[in-house]
Amino acid sequence: QSALTQPASVSGSPGQSITISCTGTISDVGGYDYVSWYQHPPGKAPKLMIFDVSNRPSGISNRFSGSKSGNTASLTISGLQAEDEGDYYCSSYTSNSPYWVFGGGTKLTVL
Amino acid sequence: EMQLVESGGGLVQPGRSLRLSCAASGFTFDDYAMHWVRQSPGKGLEWVSGLSWNSGNIGYADSVKGRFTISRDNAKNSLFLQMNSLRAEDTALYYCAKGQGTSYTHYAMDVWGQGTTVTVSS
Repeated sequence: QSALTQPASVSGSPGQSITISCTGTISDVGGYDYVSWYQHPPGKAPKLMIFDVSNRPSGISNRFSGSKSGNTASLTISGLQAEDEGDYYCSSYTSNSPYWVFGGGTKLTVL
Repeated sequence: EMQLVESGGGLVQPGRSLRLSCAASGFTFDDYAMHWVRQSPGKGLEWVSGLSWNSGNIGYADSVKGRFTISRDNAKNSLFLQMNSLRAEDTALYYCAKGQGTSYTHYAMDVWGQGTTVTVSS
């Protein structure tokens, strides 16, 4: 069982917006602004999409945005494109060992 | 271009050892923390271990503590994971990842390798 809770799957049509939630506790998501999101296409390396809750690395489209409220972080993808399909994982620093925890992953399907 | 290339995976019997390596290029290796993250078949990502830029701070997941040892050779731009007393549940694709900062805590992982597969089976 993963430390952070994500929905198993989400879907949307091209051009629509979707949001993936990531729920933790005060020891991780709720206690620190060190939440990150990773895109993991099948057979490829994970890719950092959002760090520190809402910051985008250089080269990441502004269609990707992150936010946090209490113990829940969210990733929103606007203007869905076919290339956005894949698994998405949230991660957070935690004050408890093992210091980094991941969510179970959410499979995004673009209909 | 920043790049990480893992090697050393393979098929190993339970109780045996394996050493993974990760070769870094395209960035100043000794400026950044490094991590190992794994993905077991059909499951999600699991953080395994991380260490700071100078190996001064090191952390392990409870599932590998006492069995795995992370290390780095900054002169050779390389990261290692010594895995002892391997178990079937250690079977996974192991990724090497670069931290955004000098500490393995707090900073996200912004560059990942393609992974190397470890299979523990008799």
